[in-house]
Amino acid sequence: ETGVTQSPTHLIKTRGQQVTLRCSSQSGHNTVSWYQQALGQGPQFIFQYYREEENGRGNFPPRFSGLQFPNYSSELNVNALELDDSALYLCASRSSGISEQFFGPGTRLTVL
Amino acid sequence: GESVGLHLPTLSVQEGDNSIINCAYSNSASDYFIWYKQESGKGPQFIIDIRSNMDKRQGQRVTVLLNKTVKHLSLQIAATQPGDSAVYFCAEKGRQAGTALIFGKGTTLSVSS
Repeated sequence: ETGVTQSPTHLIKTRGQQVTLRCSSQSGHNTVSWYQQALGQGPQFIFQYYREEENGRGNFPPRFSGLQFPNYSSELNVNALELDDSALYLCASRSSGISEQFFGPGTRLTVL
Repeated sequence: GESVGLHLPTLSVQEGDNSIINCAYSNSASDYFIWYKQESGKGPQFIIDIRSNMDKRQGQRVTVLLNKTVKHLSLQIAATQPGDSAVYFCAEKGRQAGTALIFGKGTTLSVSS
């Protein structure tokens, strides 16, 4: 176990809805990254948060947004859900200045 | 965009054999490389990493080799066990803060006993 937890485990939504996914980072880790993993693919970087600010973003539209809280936990919000948003959403945490990051188990999102 | 790719989508071996999983990367600016193992229904699990100033690093039953000349990364697993069956991803990262891990598509390793 990595110490990174995510909730919920599974989620089913319909097109157009909004969703919030949550991540608790490993103790002492101040940097959190979110990834989207489509079936059969490698994880794709969405964005990264450090000290409550986004400091890196992948090729995802603005309807993907996030937050990081003072305790370093984080949320991923997706608005106007599309069918292609169905994927495993992974959260990873690390300490700043350290490259090794640890992944949570993910949230499986299904959009119908 | 630049990405990390793997040579083979699947690899089947017998228990006790040595496994070699290969990966080609295209970004010469990447300076950190990692291998992850992902079992069904779980997040990626760190196996071993290597920085660009090294060409080999060993862990427990695993060795990572980095050939910067041809931009090639490999993971060697000694005495492969059924519990090693999973999808293996290589990933690369640049030097700048805020740069992300870039993953390849993965190689599915199947170990039969």
